Amino acid sequence: EPEVTQTPSHQVTQMGQEVILRCVPISNHLYFYWYRQILGQKVEFLVSFYNNEISEKSEIFDDQFSVERPDGSNFTLKIRSTKLEDSAMYFCASSVGQAIYGYTFGSGTRLTVV
Amino acid sequence: DQQVKQNSPSLSVQEGRISILNCDYTNSMFDYFLWYKKYPAEGPTFLISISSIKDKNEDGRFTVFLNKSAKHLSLHIVPSQPGDSAVYFCAALINAGKSTFGDGTTLTVKP
Repeated sequence: EPEVTQTPSHQVTQMGQEVILRCVPISNHLYFYWYRQILGQKVEFLVSFYNNEISEKSEIFDDQFSVERPDGSNFTLKIRSTKLEDSAMYFCASSVGQAIYGYTFGSGTRLTVV
Repeated sequence: DQQVKQNSPSLSVQEGRISILNCDYTNSMFDYFLWYKKYPAEGPTFLISISSIKDKNEDGRFTVFLNKSAKHLSLHIVPSQPGDSAVYFCAALINAGKSTFGDGTTLTVKP
């Protein structure tokens, strides 16, 4: 069964450093998303991406965050200058249609900022 | 502002019995609702959805009920199996936009 692949599974970074989280969505999917879950809290929407541009973003997704689909297969989330409160599990998701059809999530990248 | 709430953090049921997971929402603009299941160290997996124009949707052992007037939905699993033990999230959408998730309910199905 097709799956969404995220790398790395765990990333530890120093505060202030830049991190790039990588995702390979399912090949025929058109909509791409990043969500995050801080330990013990709910899954929170960050950004959605369609047709090579951001279609929606949350208030969490400030100027420190950016997304790219550089080569038609990868979908990346960059955090320019990480803060301690960015520590969370980051989930990439994709869907063939809009969100009403449900997403396929990756297994997540656990980001730890020290 | 918690627009989607799952008030029961955990639920324990016996194998073969019915599991009922509940979800309440406050925003009457939500027009689509989904349920996801999550195992440890994995991402959420889509289970079943329902449009606000319906009050019931069924898929095998899973049925979702929507009560718009009460702003309440529930997921019924019948019969429950040990493999159903996971965290269950409800999510709500407006106009096919972003998903707003509840806090999740941990279901334990005992053999």
